[in-house]
This record gives sequence, C-alpha cells and structure tokens, in this order.
Amino acid sequence: AAGVIQSPRHLIKEKRETATLKCYPIPRHDTVYWYQQGPGQDPQFLISFYEKMQSDKGSIPDRFSAQQFSDYHSELNMSSLELGDSALYFCASSLVRGNTEAFFGQGTRLTVV
Amino acid sequence: AQTVTQSQPEMSVQEAETVTLSCTYDTSESNYYLFWYKQPPSRQMILVIRQEAYKQQNATENRFSVNFQKAAKSFSLKISDSQLGDTAMYFCAFSPATGANSKLTFGKGITLSVRP
Repeated sequence: AAGVIQSPRHLIKEKRETATLKCYPIPRHDTVYWYQQGPGQDPQFLISFYEKMQSDKGSIPDRFSAQQFSDYHSELNMSSLELGDSALYFCASSLVRGNTEAFFGQGTRLTVV
Repeated sequence: AQTVTQSQPEMSVQEAETVTLSCTYDTSESNYYLFWYKQPPSRQMILVIRQEAYKQQNATENRFSVNFQKAAKSFSLKISDSQLGDTAMYFCAFSPATGANSKLTFGKGITLSVRP
C-alpha cells in the first residue's frame, strides 16, 4: 500500500540558508500535518491543511511557511535557518472524511550547521 | 488546550513478560481519540493502537491492549509477551474528534527496553 513520502530524507544546511521539505500524502487523503521533533523531544505540531486550505496552526516560527498544492503534495519552507531548527520533520496524512488516523512519513532529518 | 502526561521516562522488561506504560491526559473536549505510537531507533512513527473516547470497550491489537479510564483520564498500554523488537520510544497522543483540526498532542514519551 502507498505510504506518505517525504523528501529529502536528510538535509544539511548552513545557518541563514533556506530549506524546502516536501511531502506526498497517501492518495485520496484530504489532510496533511507537519510536525517537528527535536532531539530527545516529542513531536510538536506545526501546521495542517485540509483540502489544500490551511486548517490549523501550531508553534510554527514566522520564518517557516507551508502550502498544499493542487495535487495535494505539501511543502514546508524554512528560511533564515538557525541551529535550533535542527530536527526531524514529519509529515502525516489522514482522510478526515473517512475518520482515519494519521499516517506518518519517514521524516526529513534537517541538520543546520 | 489538551495536555498529555507520561511520567515514567523509561522502563525495562524481560523478554516474554508483560509491561504496562502509563499515560494521563486532560481535555475539555467531549469526543476525542487516544493513541499509542511506537518510535524505534529508525525514528519512524508507527501507530500501535487507537481508542475512540465514546467507545467503552478497550481497544486491543494482538499483544497490545489498553486500559482506558475515561473518568480518570487515564490511558495505559499493556504489552504482553514482550519481544526484543518492542524496544523503542512509546508516545501517548491525543486528538480531538473535530474533523480537520484533529492534530495530535503527544506526551514526552517513554523509552522501553526489552531485555533478552
């Protein structure tokens, strides 16, 4: 069965650079979520999209933005990167209309040096 | 706002034995879901079990079962016949049943080690 695909799996960036993380949800899923998991921490909700519209927002820095495109893939854009942005970034998708749980991708490990 | 509390940072169990991981939560929502996620060293987030708050029957998935006490806002995970592959971080999580705003709120997690 198709799963949530995230790319890239690993990314190394320097401070003040920009990073773009991509997420391809499970086909026909209508909701995408982004989470940030720092070292030794629990995942923290960043932002979500339902049917390509932003549906909820968490502790997402102003330097970060995200969108969902017509083909339902989503991108998380991160600018002016800081060392503290180093984390594992998860994308998850669900079918809210079908009352399914969220399925997680394998994550993108971002290292800022 | 919801909170999820996992007060035990780590536990250890002998292979083939049973272990229970504790979780409490706080919410003003009337309908919601509770989850246990497993995160092995690969860091993949794997759903172990899901409980719907309006269902009184405790969820079970093979060797995994929960003890859901709604009045006490308690949601513990029991792992029977522990296996070496159960070694992982386990997160308890909460989600309101409000459609598109059903983001997950996680506890701090517990590291479970299964000893051979």
